[in-house]
Amino acid sequence: DTAVSQTPKYLVTQMGNDKSIKCEQNLGHDTMYWYKQDSKKFLKIMFSYNNKELIINETVPNRFSPKSPDKAHLNLHINSLELGDSAVYFCASSQDPPGQGTYSNQPQHFGDGTRLSIL
Amino acid sequence: SQQGEEDPQALSIQEGENATMNCSYKTSINNLQWYRQNSGRGLVHLILIRSNEREKHSGRLRVTLDTSKKSSSLLITASRAADTASYFCATGSYGDGATNKLIFGTGTLLAVQP
Repeated sequence: DTAVSQTPKYLVTQMGNDKSIKCEQNLGHDTMYWYKQDSKKFLKIMFSYNNKELIINETVPNRFSPKSPDKAHLNLHINSLELGDSAVYFCASSQDPPGQGTYSNQPQHFGDGTRLSIL
Repeated sequence: SQQGEEDPQALSIQEGENATMNCSYKTSINNLQWYRQNSGRGLVHLILIRSNEREKHSGRLRVTLDTSKKSSSLLITASRAADTASYFCATGSYGDGATNKLIFGTGTLLAVQP
């Protein structure tokens, strides 16, 4: 059973288009994340939601808009795609929001990524 | 800014040998985590060490943490070809309320030759 699943796995599209990536977790976790991994494998947090509420919003162009319809789903919509958006986007989840509970910064469970290529 | 830097960037060893990867970070942390990423896959959590711990073991993995030097090391003993992957450290630190986040290092690419 897949714990964190994201679709699609590959996304090839033209500059200027709008696209969405979906993520679902069946772990019962409270918190979900979106990361961007560039060609040098540097992984950077973009957004985090806890129980549908936005708790981390890094310096990301407002062309990127996350949406969390419920705590098991976190989708990422990207408007007006640019060449620099080409990367692998990872969804992740964790049991508690960072900073709360007995241990803060809980281990995160990652999906297998969506490779976005802009032509 | 980027928190963790890993060293070496790449490491190639023979099966059966030990592999050691190092991670240095810049600010105070709550805990440090190590993750593995196989090619084309997501990151998998390996081990978490808290700031008041100095050493932790999990199977063939041994992690040390030196908060005075702001560094950690991951040792994989008796390596196997299946250990071939990129390894990342990630630091978590106290922030403003519930907005703590993990900052990932640059990663070490480990190749274990059969």
